Parts: sequence; structure tokens; C-alpha cells
Amino acid sequence: QVQLVQSGAEVKKPGASVKVSCKASGYTFIGYYIHWVRQAPGHGLEWMGWINPKNGDTNYAQKLLGRVTMTRDTSMYTVYMELKRLKSDDTAVYYCARGSGAGINGTDYWGQGTLVTVSS
Amino acid sequence: AIQMTQSPSSLSASVGDRVTITCRASQDIRNDLGWFQQKPGKAPNLLIYPASSLQSGVPSRFSGSGSGTDFTLTISSLQPEDFATYYCLQDYNYPYTFGQGTKLEIK
Repeated sequence: QVQLVQSGAEVKKPGASVKVSCKASGYTFIGYYIHWVRQAPGHGLEWMGWINPKNGDTNYAQKLLGRVTMTRDTSMYTVYMELKRLKSDDTAVYYCARGSGAGINGTDYWGQGTLVTVSS
Repeated sequence: AIQMTQSPSSLSASVGDRVTITCRASQDIRNDLGWFQQKPGKAPNLLIYPASSLQSGVPSRFSGSGSGTDFTLTISSLQPEDFATYYCLQDYNYPYTFGQGTKLEIK
């Protein structure tokens, strides 16, 4: 069965970096895009970007440009989202989601979410 | 960035009620709009995309309509499992943007 399993919760200090992983199983890894969406506690959803595991192409939300990097390891069927120079308002649950393409159509499977807490 | 404005921000309703949630885009987005349902502590679930097409496995009591700037999500007869928060999202252009959400609560 299709699964996206994310890495565990992280606590980081302001200015540090965090790298969240999303391991895929049960489907052809390079056949689907991975989108990242985050949600600050008690707040709404924010789209962060996507990666195409087939060729590594990415597209990031403009507000995160320069701080976010999405990569993939096809041998490990894993996608990574790294966020640098963390700020307190980066505290959120981070989700990965499988999509049929660059759009959000067909985002049918999601990871369980990873809580990243940024606190001094 | 395109702004998505949802209304209402919260809504109280009873099982069996018909409810409608609206989403307005700050510019024409054709029909490049999705509706998500999210329950507490869970990942969002895509219900409808584009605008009026039900995703596989979504009950037929959910429907979507609209194009351009104005969109609606309708639940024809609320079931207990429908009480959740609903978000619209446009992927017409980057960055994709969500509405602020509508929390649907039991009256």
C-alpha cells in the first residue's frame, strides 16, 4: 500500500537548520511529485513547494526562496525538505504529499506530519 | 500572490443540514481550485479538484462549483464525520495559496 513516512519531531534554535525526510513506499517513486505543506499551530495551511523525484526539478514558494531546499535520493525512495535560518514563525507541522504532477490534483497520500519547533 | 478569501470562517450546523462554503480569489483563476477537508491532528484530504470534480472515493454529498473568482463547496446533508475544517487552494499560479479555512462545528 502507498505510504509516506516522515521523520520525527525536531526542536531547533533560531538560526539553525532542519531537514525533514519523507520516505515513500508502495508506488513508483519517480512517477509522482512530492509537495510540501506546513501548518503553524492553530493556523491554516501554507504551500511550500514541490519536487519532481524523477529529475530533481523544484518549485518553491517565493517567501521561502533562499531558505528552503528540496532534494531526493532515488535509491532510498526519500525526499528531503531542508529549511535554513529558522525563525520562531517556522514552528509548524510539516507535511509531504504525493501529487500526480506540479498541480495539487491527485494529492492523494500524505505523510503523518513532522512537528518542527523553533525556540531559544 | 493570489489571495483566497473564504467565508464564513466558522459555521455551526446540524446533522442533515445543507451547508455552503464560499471561496473568492483576488483574480481570475479559471477553475484551478481545490477543496480540502482537515480533521484535528490529521493531514488534509483533497475532496474536489478542479472546482467541481469529486476525487475518487469522496462521498457524493460533497459538490463544488464556480469558475473565475467565485467558488462554492456544498455538503448536501451533513454527516457526523463531516465536522472538520475546510480549505480552498488555488494552483492557477505560483505560489499556490490556501484560503484561511472554515471550521464546521456541530450545533
